[in-house]
Amino acid sequence: AQSVTQLGSHVSVSEGALVLLRCNYSSSVPPYLFWYVQYPNQGLQLLLKYTSAATLVKGINGFEAEFKKSETSFHLTKPSAHMSDAAEYFCAVRPGNTGKLIFGQGTTLQVKP
Amino acid sequence: DSGVTQTPKHLITATGQRVTLRCSPRSGDLSVYWYQQSLDQGLQFLIQYYNGEERAKGNILERFSAQQFPDLHSELNLSSLELGDSALYFCASSETSGSPGEQFFGPGTRLTVL
Repeated sequence: AQSVTQLGSHVSVSEGALVLLRCNYSSSVPPYLFWYVQYPNQGLQLLLKYTSAATLVKGINGFEAEFKKSETSFHLTKPSAHMSDAAEYFCAVRPGNTGKLIFGQGTTLQVKP
Repeated sequence: DSGVTQTPKHLITATGQRVTLRCSPRSGDLSVYWYQQSLDQGLQFLIQYYNGEERAKGNILERFSAQQFPDLHSELNLSSLELGDSALYFCASSETSGSPGEQFFGPGTRLTVL
């Protein structure tokens, strides 16, 4: 079964510092991969998605992620953190032609002033 | 605002009771998904409907059931509730079923079972 592992349940960075949130997936075939963000008391919002078109994917709010098949990774980065980036981030995989999303456990990003 | 609406926002009930959660997808979206978010299990896929038909099933308990109506809104029914059913229940919708299109999430219904 396909799965997603997010390394680090909590990540803390200073404002202006690089954000790196790690995601590894297990899949026998290249899957569709997603990063979602959840702000407190809100639903999930799509940041970006990988659908095999380009390995470097740019998303909203300055985030991007790189698909590395050899490492089965899809890490999320942002060059400079803002206070407004504080939220919970979820990596997800959509296996094959199914519609369901399989989520990682989530990473809470704290941004310190 | 994703365009997906869920009612109610909060629900407090007792063990053994039955509740119904409602979801209205974005205009034009045919597929509806239900997810459960809890501290123990994280975010888990429950079930998917596409144009009224069940399309995929995940870790959904037998005490839970869902349906999608002709107007495409969906309801998730939870019965014989247990303390462990307390969670945030999300509905999401997308245009199609299997393509890698975006799923748009509603704000969720927070269920508390006392």
